[in-house]
Amino acid sequence: GDSVTQMEGPVTLSEEAFLTINCTYTATGYPSLFWYVQYPGEGLQLLLKATKADDKGSNKGFEATYRKETTSFHLEKGSVQVSDSAVYFCALREGGTSYGKLTFGQGTILTVHP
Amino acid sequence: NAGVMQNPRHLVRRRGQEARLRCSPMKGHSHVYWYRQLPEEGLKFMVYLQKENIIDESGMPKERFSAEFPKEGPSILRIQQVVRGDSAAYFCASSPPSSADEQFFGPGTRLTVL
Repeated sequence: GDSVTQMEGPVTLSEEAFLTINCTYTATGYPSLFWYVQYPGEGLQLLLKATKADDKGSNKGFEATYRKETTSFHLEKGSVQVSDSAVYFCALREGGTSYGKLTFGQGTILTVHP
Repeated sequence: NAGVMQNPRHLVRRRGQEARLRCSPMKGHSHVYWYRQLPEEGLKFMVYLQKENIIDESGMPKERFSAEFPKEGPSILRIQQVVRGDSAAYFCASSPPSSADEQFFGPGTRLTVL
């Protein structure tokens, strides 16, 4: 079945550092790919998405490119802020489905220090 | 427009009791998903419902768990005879009929079984 693997955390960075969180997937067909963010005590929020190969999703300075050849969707940000501290989840939706059942990675905790 | 609401936010039950978790989707959303997050793990899909119909329950444990989404009122996830292994965060998400990718998550219910 489909699966998502994220880099092990937690990740600790200083403010303005460069961020990469790796995500790779296994899926049949052509899935849609997502990054969600979860702030303490809150539900998950969609951060960005990409629905086909070579698409780049972007939002709030975060970017991720759908790489079919490497089955990856790595999250990047050029300069992190303390407010980016949260848990980040990579997820996929199986291609060809008409509804939104998501398969998630295990999550990566990011802590940004001033 | 209020977001997805879940209650209670925290629920404590003793082994053998029943747990009822409620989810009110966003206005205009007729699709509801339930996910479970065990400690140190990512979210796992449980069930997908539309009004009065269970569409996909492939992630639901075979026994003790049930879900419904009646014509009127919130979606309910019911766990009978809870065991310690049911302790987890349970998240509900909703989406409009027109866009499976637009899933909005509630803040979750954290169930603790003593």
